[in-house]
Amino acid sequence: QVQLQESGPGLVKPSETLSLTCTVSGGSISNFYWSWIRQIPGKGLEWIGYIHNSGSTNYNPSLKSRVTISVDTSKSQFSLKLTSVTAADTAVYYCARADSGSDATSHPYYYMDVWGKGTTVTVSS
Amino acid sequence: SYELTQPPSVSVSPGQTASITCSGDKLGDKYVSWYKQKPGQSPVLVIYRDNKRPSGIPERLSGSNSGNTATLTISGAQAMDEADYYCQAWDSRTVVFGGGTKLTVL
Repeated sequence: QVQLQESGPGLVKPSETLSLTCTVSGGSISNFYWSWIRQIPGKGLEWIGYIHNSGSTNYNPSLKSRVTISVDTSKSQFSLKLTSVTAADTAVYYCARADSGSDATSHPYYYMDVWGKGTTVTVSS
Repeated sequence: SYELTQPPSVSVSPGQTASITCSGDKLGDKYVSWYKQKPGQSPVLVIYRDNKRPSGIPERLSGSNSGNTATLTISGAQAMDEADYYCQAWDSRTVVFGGGTKLTVL
């Protein structure tokens, strides 16, 4: 079955750029949406953004100015870049596969059915 | 921006029924998903499109959504159900999560 694996530095310095990659295995990267979600320790889930394999993206308005998500279909990978990080960006970062579409009455849906194990990123000098 | 509100905690006795609510403006007009997360683990999808269960999710878990409230119902609660539960909706092409509910089975 499809598996996702996050990778990237576990420690990033303040004001630098956080870069993570999610590798998709056991299935195609086509025809799905691919999301990044983060969770500050002890807190809830925060959606960061998504990309479709076609390249279309959308981001959380609260992070939009600092976020870029890209996809490399040839490597079955998608990536997250978060610029100008601060301690407030310290979190567990998850990648996830999402199914999205509309039902017979054009009622849209979006849900994340496969998640990576998550990777902890600490922002500290 | 759209907001989803969940109670911070819900308690249930073993074998009883637990209901976790998720509230939002006209939420019944949107599809809701639910995720279960145990400590130190990644979230798991347990309900999607209001009331559908992914394969492997027991029938004890069910969902409903009407008006301004979606509800995750866990019948015959077991110790294994103790976890954090998050609702999620799709609004204006953005993903919105509720704040999460800690379910305690005691």
